[in-house]
Amino acid sequence: AQSVTQLDSQVPVFEEAPVELRCNYSSSVSVYLFWYVQYPNQGLQLLLKYLSGSTLVKGINGFEAEFNKSQTSFHLRKPSVHISDTAEYFCAVRQSTGTASKLTFGTGTRLQVTL
Amino acid sequence: GAVVSQHPSRVICKSGTSVKIECRSLDFQATTMFWYRQFPKKSLMLMATSNEGSKATYEQGVEKDKFLINHASLTLSTLTVTSAHPEDSSFYICSAAHWSSYNEQFFGPGTRLTVL
Repeated sequence: AQSVTQLDSQVPVFEEAPVELRCNYSSSVSVYLFWYVQYPNQGLQLLLKYLSGSTLVKGINGFEAEFNKSQTSFHLRKPSVHISDTAEYFCAVRQSTGTASKLTFGTGTRLQVTL
Repeated sequence: GAVVSQHPSRVICKSGTSVKIECRSLDFQATTMFWYRQFPKKSLMLMATSNEGSKATYEQGVEKDKFLINHASLTLSTLTVTSAHPEDSSFYICSAAHWSSYNEQFFGPGTRLTVL
């Protein structure tokens, strides 16, 4: 079984400031890692994913994340945020072995960008 | 990415009635569809996984007789909430994937269900 921890339920930040949203996971097997964004009353949109290879992954809207196996982390970062980045962000994992298909989500982090 | 739609986007119903929510993959063949439930300020909770032409696999604690899932074609899955009660009020989200790549799951926009 896997679990995902997003310690920060809310992260307030000023526009153009950098931000880091934290994600830690626990799993007895290898996993794939994902970050999704959810705008109000909408479904989820994939920001980026780590499957293999380079541990630094670049995604859409200027976001990037770094996979750290020793710390079991996959923190999301953006060097300069915009008002439009205000949304809920979810970290998720999926088992990379076998045929398991389901995603396990963290509880989400609300990014609030203000002027 | 692929487009997944849900209908309706919002529904209000009376307690005791049944509500059907549709999830459609518009431009690819979804061999697998997932149904999630999201409570306010909470994460997505997977309710069930359905493979086209097969019975859905429900997660522990989800009542299969209350949340009926049908996945009769590669482009359509339905979730029927039977005998709905106020505690069933929630945001229901589906996602669609093809068995060749479960890392590519495409989410619908969600359906807000309110049971009075």
